[in-house]
Amino acid sequence: QKEVEQDPGPLSVPEGAIVSLNCTYSNSAFQYFMWYRQYSRKGPELLMYTYSSGNKEDGRFTAQVDKSSKYISLFIRDSQPSDSATYLCAMTGANSKLTFGKGITLSVRP
Amino acid sequence: GAGVSQSPRYKVAKRGQDVALRCDPISGHVSLFWYQQALGQGPEFLTYFQNEAQLDKSGLPSDRFFAERPEGSVSTLKIQRTQQEDSAVYLCASRSLSGRGVHEQFFGPGTRLTVL
Repeated sequence: QKEVEQDPGPLSVPEGAIVSLNCTYSNSAFQYFMWYRQYSRKGPELLMYTYSSGNKEDGRFTAQVDKSSKYISLFIRDSQPSDSATYLCAMTGANSKLTFGKGITLSVRP
Repeated sequence: GAGVSQSPRYKVAKRGQDVALRCDPISGHVSLFWYQQALGQGPEFLTYFQNEAQLDKSGLPSDRFFAERPEGSVSTLKIQRTQQEDSAVYLCASRSLSGRGVHEQFFGPGTRLTVL
């Protein structure tokens, strides 16, 4: 079993919908939790970064971390066609390397 | 400013050939990472440099893979005697020790390697 599991996709929603993306993990050493967005033929770009449990909001995006359940989520409000991309959860402990989920491809229909 | 650049963007190799992939990190970034991303998968860690020192190479899949960063800036990932299972996108990322988040890694566009 992988250290980080991400809900399988693909996911297709209408414009304006609320999107919920989720990952679970097994390694208790993970302390920093990230969501990356990757467009086709591009490298991942950082969307959200959180440390420890709690919520963090940035515009239409909210990241949640529940360390007791080893569960993280990304919520996208008022989704737009430009949000169509692959979303990757990633996490790290003290050793710097990122451990990624498999990624989920989101399509927002106009 | 300029981001992380990688070259070539696309590489086709015949099985058994050696390839060299180049990464130019963001100027001044101390840390440099290589990841391998297979089709439909998330990136997987290969190796990590801080300046010219290779601090972690635990993700390199075999001794055919070799990475270097001799002057602490540009890095090269070399794959010897390529095999079909090496086909993937190779991503390079760099990080400043004083970034907005100490674990924020900035990724390049990747090199897509296809081994025939």
